[in-house]
Amino acid sequence: GAVVSQHPSWVICKSGTSVKIECRSLDFQATTMFWYRQFPKQSLMLMATSNEGSKATYEQGVEKDKFLINHASLTLSTLTVTSAHPEDSSFYICSARDSGLAGGTDTQYFGPGTRLTVL
Amino acid sequence: AQKITQTQPGMFVQEKEAVTLDCTYDTSDQSYGLFWYKQPSSGEMIFLIYQGSYDEQNATEGRYSLNFQKARKSANLVISASQLGDSAMYFCAMREGVGAGSYQLTFGKGTKLSVIP
Repeated sequence: GAVVSQHPSWVICKSGTSVKIECRSLDFQATTMFWYRQFPKQSLMLMATSNEGSKATYEQGVEKDKFLINHASLTLSTLTVTSAHPEDSSFYICSARDSGLAGGTDTQYFGPGTRLTVL
Repeated sequence: AQKITQTQPGMFVQEKEAVTLDCTYDTSDQSYGLFWYKQPSSGEMIFLIYQGSYDEQNATEGRYSLNFQKARKSANLVISASQLGDSAMYFCAMREGVGAGSYQLTFGKGTKLSVIP
């Protein structure tokens, strides 16, 4: 159980275009999802917390107009990188919070990540 | 000050041997949770084990165990009988407090484990 999918797994786009990344919890409902960014050989950096039915909470320094987050259902959150530039190239990884109400521990389960390359 | 400290950037272990990955944490909260995740080269973050601050016994999950020393604020991961597939980055993470704001995790910088045949 506790499977999170992420799509696409990799994407190459031209500078100035927008890219949408989907994060789905497949076997549990997630009222809270998280979006992280990871640079090579570094740890995960939290970008924003996505709550179902409300606006996302962005971490300091993350441009909310550039990284649009939508959490329209209990199993889907999307991150749209608008007007992407080469400096946005990175590994983006989402997680979904399993509150553990159905048993188990309140835990974040991660998707497989999306490698974005902006040319 | 860093909330999660992993002092070992890289570790080597012989196949079939046990290895301990260090993690210390800093919090003033009484209620918190500690997690270990494994990240192979594919990039996926795999949840390994969880320890709650009020748990009296050390968590175990198959070949993984967490050596929780609350007074020392350490939560070391022990992997027994290492396998080649254990080669990966390992991240220690903490969730602090209770309530909505407590859902976030703070990650350490990670330890790269290499298992030698």
